[in-house]
Amino acid sequence: DAGVIQSPRHEVTEMGQEVTLRCKPISGHNSLFWYRQTMMRGLELLIYFNNNVPIDDSGMPEDRFSAKMPNASFSTLKIQPSEPRDSAVYFCASSLASNTQYFGPGTRLTVL
Amino acid sequence: KNEVEQSPQNLTAQEGEFITINCSYSVGISALHWLQQHPGGGIVSLFMLSSGKKKHGRLIATINIQEKHSSLHITASHPRDSAVYICAVRNSGTYKYIFGTGTRLKVLA
Repeated sequence: DAGVIQSPRHEVTEMGQEVTLRCKPISGHNSLFWYRQTMMRGLELLIYFNNNVPIDDSGMPEDRFSAKMPNASFSTLKIQPSEPRDSAVYFCASSLASNTQYFGPGTRLTVL
Repeated sequence: KNEVEQSPQNLTAQEGEFITINCSYSVGISALHWLQQHPGGGIVSLFMLSSGKKKHGRLIATINIQEKHSSLHITASHPRDSAVYICAVRNSGTYKYIFGTGTRLKVLA
């Protein structure tokens, strides 16, 4: 099993640019989570999907952030336009129902 | 006051010591998770608890729903246990996840 796959692993971009982070959950899992981790705020849940439907997006910081899950094997988190304060590590995790979450390796985003 | 509090924030132990990390929360929950984040940044889910106790190898997690408290124990600690341990709860009803700020553990050889 390949585990949760995230791409890219590192992204450096300039303020104002659009950033798209990608996640492939573990096959068969029906819940997918997007997290953000910063030194200041720790780990935060941004949004999670159940059976491809967004269940709770209250953690999404503002309208510049959007997430989609077009099918059970793929999700994207988009930031448009990006700002330096969006610099963080973004983790994707998946689980089967409400069971143990399996985390991807994360995408380290730096916005200059 | 944070809804999820962990203690201690930092902990240094000698190899072989028994370690306890505590998590207290103030909301009703449907589940509590213990996560381990290694120095390289990867996150591993150790336990998910809704009641009682779970054991995996040298790790033991307990939860007391009435007292709104959970503990993570590491027996015979080893330098490879050095990591940040994060407690997270899922608010019952809202499904929101709330994270503690983590306990940074360093085990010395």
